[in-house]
Amino acid sequence: GIQVEQSPPDLILQEGANSTLRCNFSDSVNNLQWFHQNPWGQLINLFYIPSGTKQNGRLSATTVATERYSLLYISSSQTTDSGVYFCAVEVAETSGSRLTFGEGTQLTVNP
Amino acid sequence: KAGVTQTPRYLIKTRGQQVTLSCSPISGHRSVSWYQQTPGQGLQFLFEYFSETQRNKGNFPGRFSGRQFSNSRSEMNVSTLELGDSALYLCASSLFQGAYEQYFGPGTRLTVT
Repeated sequence: GIQVEQSPPDLILQEGANSTLRCNFSDSVNNLQWFHQNPWGQLINLFYIPSGTKQNGRLSATTVATERYSLLYISSSQTTDSGVYFCAVEVAETSGSRLTFGEGTQLTVNP
Repeated sequence: KAGVTQTPRYLIKTRGQQVTLSCSPISGHRSVSWYQQTPGQGLQFLFEYFSETQRNKGNFPGRFSGRQFSNSRSEMNVSTLELGDSALYLCASSLFQGAYEQYFGPGTRLTVT
């Protein structure tokens, strides 16, 4: 099956710093999503980005499908950005679909 | 529009028992998927339902089953619970199956003692 690798596994920042999270995947995908998991466990949608670039406030994401990677940029980080960030991809299958998740990046933003 | 809802939010069961978890998708969404999250295995796909039919299944034993009703609500059942089934169970819904954005519920945290 498809492999999804996220880096770095852990990231510690001071408030106000910028960061880049990376997601590499091993096969062609037709869906790629970035999530932030809050302390209660819920996955919050950040971006649906199978290709191209999107921005939402301090967050932006770029997926280069032909080179099989995606980047999540966080600018001017805040303590509330702390948590685990997941990349998830989907390969189209004739009998349905599924998301395959990376292991996540644990982000800690210190005041 | 209301998000994905899951009930119950927390559950404690004893080894050998069975459990049923419920998921109500976003209104109008017809595909429901289930995922298991554990510290050791991460987030893993269990199964997906669309139009009351299981369309895709992950690598889990037959003790894990599910179903979808005509209103797209879904339930998953785990029989003969094992300690290793302790996990956060997440439900996701999307408009249709395939390359559509998936939205997750808050999860059900199951503890097996």
